[in-house]
Amino acid sequence: SAVISQKPSRDICQRGTSLTIQCQVDSQVTMMFWYRQQPGQSLTLIATANQGSEATYESGFVIDKFPISRPNLTFSTLTVSNMSPEDSSIYLCSVDASYNEQFFGPGTRLTVL
Amino acid sequence: RKEVEQDPGPFNVPEGATVAFNCTYSNSASQSFFWYRQDCRKEPKLLMSVYSSGNEDGRFTAQLNRASQYISLLIRDSKLSDSATYLCVVNLSGGYNKLIFGAGTRLAVHP
Repeated sequence: SAVISQKPSRDICQRGTSLTIQCQVDSQVTMMFWYRQQPGQSLTLIATANQGSEATYESGFVIDKFPISRPNLTFSTLTVSNMSPEDSSIYLCSVDASYNEQFFGPGTRLTVL
Repeated sequence: RKEVEQDPGPFNVPEGATVAFNCTYSNSASQSFFWYRQDCRKEPKLLMSVYSSGNEDGRFTAQLNRASQYISLLIRDSKLSDSATYLCVVNLSGGYNKLIFGAGTRLAVHP
């Protein structure tokens, strides 16, 4: 399976600021995904990022709040903009593999004060 | 109705016990099915895919009933290291690879 890293691993931010999370994969992948896991909850898909095209956002998530970049086949970023305490979550990126499986990065734990 | 529903748990079992988790999904067009395991403060990791004919991987057995839209996971001879949250996951496919996660069932195996 692919080796996925995320930066930062955790951060504490002030409300109103923005944070950009990086996701790096050790091999080229077609699709990358960004998920959110709120405290005590399961994972919710934010958006799907394909290289060379606009990200596809799920219901309830918008580009202005969560802009995504996918400059090449091994890298993506997710920005959490104008943060509020409700954005405190773990943010995870994943990549697709064979048979529709996905493998996840270690996550970024975000706390917004 | 949630798209993927699981037993609420937690399940507290002694070592050596057999434990079964159930899961139902609402979208009959779902194509692929998985069990993921998530340890505390860690990312989910794929435990096993679930095939229509049922499949086994060591102490773990997964079953799928498409007619009932039901998925199960059986763990035999539980180990302390099995303690984790088990996530039932469904893939809608149909254009792109979208995973829908259940809320998870927490398992605690005690000595």
